[in-house]
Amino acid sequence: QVQLVESGGGVVQPGRSLRLSCAASGFSFSRFGMQWVRQAPGKGLEWVAIIWYDGSEKYYGDSVKGRFTISRDNSRNTLYLQMNSLRAEDTAVYYCVREPYVAGQTLPDEPWGQGTLVTVSP
Amino acid sequence: EIVLTQSPATLSLSPGERATLSCRASQSVEYLAWYQQTPGQAPRLVIYDVFNRATGTPARFIGSGSGTDFTLTISSLEPEDFAVYYCQHRGTWPRTFGQGTRVEIK
Repeated sequence: QVQLVESGGGVVQPGRSLRLSCAASGFSFSRFGMQWVRQAPGKGLEWVAIIWYDGSEKYYGDSVKGRFTISRDNSRNTLYLQMNSLRAEDTAVYYCVREPYVAGQTLPDEPWGQGTLVTVSP
Repeated sequence: EIVLTQSPATLSLSPGERATLSCRASQSVEYLAWYQQTPGQAPRLVIYDVFNRATGTPARFIGSGSGTDFTLTISSLEPEDFAVYYCQHRGTWPRTFGQGTRVEIK
């Protein structure tokens, strides 16, 4: 079955960096675009970034543009989020999400990981 | 950036009642999805492309709308339906979510 397992979260000081990983299994990772979505404690969902299946295109939410970088390693079935210049408002659970679009079709599934918590605090 | 406004913020209903959730976009969108989230869990896709049910979504969940106004209707609430629901547009960048509607037990 499809599994997405995030890792790399933790407590980090403002201004520092952190890299999140998402290990994918149970599907052909290199065929799917991948996303990051985050949720601050007690708050709603915020879309963070997306990367095309082959890494050729990337898009970011306004609040992270220029600070975060999404990337992937299809040989390792792994998605990454490099987070630089972290701020208190980046504190959130970060979810890895598989895009539902593949080969011109929309699949009726959109698997999410269970999330990894990032806390930005002095 | 497209802003999605959901209403109401909270809906207090009893099991068996009909729930009607609204999502209004600041400009016309073509691809709209709805998510359900229960406490401590990751969100789950319920409806995609306005009216298509995701895998495992019961028929009592009905998505509708077009342009800037969209609705998620739950025809008869079951106990497992009490949760927070978010809408999201997918057609342009950045994708954005609405702020959520909480459906709580009255």
